Amino acid sequence: TQLLEQSPQFLSIQEGENLTVYCNSSSVFSSLQWYRQEPGEGPVLLVTVVTGGEVKKLKRLTFQFGDARKDSSLHITAAQPGDTGLYLCADGGSNYKLTFGKGTLLTVNP
Amino acid sequence: EAQVTQNPRYLITVTGKKLTVTCSQNMNHEYMSWYRQDPGLGLRQIYYSMNVEVTDKGDVPEGYKVSRKEKRNFPLILESPSPNQTSLYFCASSGRLAPVLNEQFFGPGTRLTVL
Repeated sequence: TQLLEQSPQFLSIQEGENLTVYCNSSSVFSSLQWYRQEPGEGPVLLVTVVTGGEVKKLKRLTFQFGDARKDSSLHITAAQPGDTGLYLCADGGSNYKLTFGKGTLLTVNP
Repeated sequence: EAQVTQNPRYLITVTGKKLTVTCSQNMNHEYMSWYRQDPGLGLRQIYYSMNVEVTDKGDVPEGYKVSRKEKRNFPLILESPSPNQTSLYFCASSGRLAPVLNEQFFGPGTRLTVL
């Protein structure tokens, strides 16, 4: 059974700071998705990465996929209160299942 | 507007009283899934369906049933709810048969409390 570890579990920072959160797997990712879940809502997809070493940017968010496809990071530059939420990584896996990590709960204070 | 809807959004019930949580999507997606989200345990898949009349167990299927009689609907049935099924439930859908590369669209969630 694949295990996805996300770190840190909680992160509280001030507006304008930079941060990085991590997602590591016990086995190779089939593909990796990052979602953000805001309070009271369902998760929303931010990005999908497939190729080892891939880097994708979404405004102030930079996603990196490890060369060996067993780890990924999400870097946010100049965090804003609107970035507050639960950041989840998920592996596409096989048999049409998504396996989620437990998430990093980010709070950006004004 | 493309969306996944769930009803009810909040439900408090008692042990053993059968209930159904409905899920509907208007995107003509083949793939639908149910998850539960618990503190410290994250999102765990309960059941999924690849198309009409095709369903399969996820990681935590015990105590739940599903059906997929129509493409747009995927209800979650708790025949005899127990307190350990108190949780936040999400329905999700995705287009094409391989959601590995596809975005999963999540509903707004149903918060269930079983007393």
